[in-house]
Amino acid sequence: RKEVEQDPGPFNVPEGATVAFNCTYSNSASQSFFWYRQDCRKEPKLLMSVYSSGNEDGRFTAQLNRASQYISLLIRDSKLSDSATYLCVVNRNYGGSQGNLIFGKGTKLSVKP
Amino acid sequence: DAGITQSPRHKVTETGTPVTLRCHQTENHRYMYWYRQDPGHGLRLIHYSYGVKDTDKGEVSDGYSVSRSKTEDFLLTLESATSSQTSVYFCAIGTDTQYFGPGTRLTVL
Repeated sequence: RKEVEQDPGPFNVPEGATVAFNCTYSNSASQSFFWYRQDCRKEPKLLMSVYSSGNEDGRFTAQLNRASQYISLLIRDSKLSDSATYLCVVNRNYGGSQGNLIFGKGTKLSVKP
Repeated sequence: DAGITQSPRHKVTETGTPVTLRCHQTENHRYMYWYRQDPGHGLRLIHYSYGVKDTDKGEVSDGYSVSRSKTEDFLLTLESATSSQTSVYFCAIGTDTQYFGPGTRLTVL
């Protein structure tokens, strides 16, 4: 299994749709999980951290399933401005050393009018 | 937004020439990172720093060196640029959660 794997998409959805992205990771010792958003030709920006109990931020809901090593992001009521690439990010957790984030290749979302 | 700037933002150079990219932060953060991003790959760590003069290699460090003489500046040097180093380079700061600079688009002809 790849360290972090995402469906590359693209996901083409109409405005107002609900869309879900999935991500799997291989290192069962990973402790930190994130979703980043990256607009075309821009830097990645933190969208939200993912907690074991699941967490919600407005229209965005993130879930973590440690047993299945699976992370998800749900976007409700999609807006045109949600069009971007969504990166799943996991830490390697090698002895607590820093710099050990692993980035998925990203899932591209395109929201159409 | 985290106070991170990168310079230059765009650069075109020729194979074999040295290139230095600069990352500057105003957050006084201890940890800084250099990544490259290429089509078909996720962001890949080149080098990182955990303090002034303290650096370590990432997963794709061959052909790159770094220096950190001040907390706010982290330099990435390509000693002799190759076409395979054509990429977008991002600097980041943070510990578990990382924040990125705007990126430098480097083309090596």
